[in-house]
Amino acid sequence: QSALTQPASVSGSPGQSITISCTGTSSDVGGYNYVSWYQQHPGKAPKLMIYDVSNRPSGVSNRFSGSKSGNTASLTISGLQAEDEADYYCSSYTSSSTFYVFGTGTKVTVL
Amino acid sequence: EVQLVESGGGLVKPGGSLRLSCAASGFTFSSYSMNWVRQAPGKGLEWVSSISSSSSYIYYADSVKGRFTISRDNAKNSLYLQMNSLRAEDTAVYYCASSNPLDTAMVTWGQGTLVTVSS
Repeated sequence: QSALTQPASVSGSPGQSITISCTGTSSDVGGYNYVSWYQQHPGKAPKLMIYDVSNRPSGVSNRFSGSKSGNTASLTISGLQAEDEADYYCSSYTSSSTFYVFGTGTKVTVL
Repeated sequence: EVQLVESGGGLVKPGGSLRLSCAASGFTFSSYSMNWVRQAPGKGLEWVSSISSSSSYIYYADSVKGRFTISRDNAKNSLYLQMNSLRAEDTAVYYCASSNPLDTAMVTWGQGTLVTVSS
């Protein structure tokens, strides 16, 4: 099972919107609405930001939103803030011999 | 407060064994699936293993299948990962994480424990 494909880096200025893509296959991202997104600051544990493609857990800012089209899921951060600078990982359930698969990770830089 | 605390990491020689533990508190541990996820130094997240609430369903990544064993003790609110035949490429921070009710995401994460495999 190969990792889901994400861009290595995305950057934006404060207040702007950015979108991170996550590309898989019909066996994972495309086949199920079970994509989640995690934020990880340096030296910290990951934090769930989006689950089931577009749902936000309680306490997560509504500046974070998720969507999916075909085999590609996306995370959009609107009104970019300095605190959003972190690594972001997508994940999906997979029907392969494994169970979960993570994306390659994207470093978000706030200019 | 929902909390997961990992322990048991350390330095081990190639071919050696180590047992990680994860103590859960603040939620009904026995009702949720649990997971181990690792992160090699400077690298991305890698899912390692998952176990259902009653231990009926267990899954492993191909990279650890046959060497690692996940287990849980619901009476002790604890999750375990027995790691045998360790290799240099198993060096990573190991996180335990609880699943949401439908097992579609990892809701709560521990702080991680570092495992270093080196001679």
